[in-house]
Amino acid sequence: AQSVTQPDIHITVSEGASLELRCNYSYGATPYLFWYVQSPGQGLQLLLKYFSGDTLVQGIKGFEAEFKRSQSSFNLRKPSVHWSDAAEYFCAVTPYGQNFVFGPGTRLSVLP
Amino acid sequence: DVKVTQSSRYLVKRTGEKVFLECVQDMDHENMFWYRQDPGLGLRLIYFSYDVKMKEKGDIPEGYSVSREKKERFSLILESASTNQTSMYLCASSLTGGNTYNEQFFGPGTRLTVL
Repeated sequence: AQSVTQPDIHITVSEGASLELRCNYSYGATPYLFWYVQSPGQGLQLLLKYFSGDTLVQGIKGFEAEFKRSQSSFNLRKPSVHWSDAAEYFCAVTPYGQNFVFGPGTRLSVLP
Repeated sequence: DVKVTQSSRYLVKRTGEKVFLECVQDMDHENMFWYRQDPGLGLRLIYFSYDVKMKEKGDIPEGYSVSREKKERFSLILESASTNQTSMYLCASSLTGGNTYNEQFFGPGTRLTVL
């Protein structure tokens, strides 16, 4: 069965520092890939998605993610973190239109 | 913009009560989903529906049922609430086909506490 792992449960970075959140998936073929963000007490908001083509995708709020087929990874990055980025981040995959499989999430804390 | 609304943000119920969680979407999406979210476990799919009056079990359907009488509305029912159903419940909807690749749009969530 397909699975999604996010190795880091909790990450703390200083405001202005760069950020990388890791996501690995287990599936035979390349699925559709998504990153969602959840601010405290809120639902999930889509940050970006990858279906095909350019392996570096740009999203909202200055985030980007890079798909690496050889590593089955879809890591999320941001060059300079803002205090408002503190939230929980979920990686999700959906193999060709089937139901989503979500990772366990990574909680991001931002130090002033 | 797609809007998915959930009837309550916070709900407190007692063990054994019947609980209804309502979800409404306003973008004519065919697909609707109910998830529960627990710390360290991410989102787990309870039930989903691809059409009116149609429902499919997700990964953790035990203790839950659903109803979809109208396309825009998808209800989650806890027939007899138990303390282990204390959780955050998230509703989502998506469009079939086109170029959306089943991107899901989420409601704000209902935090249910069962005492």
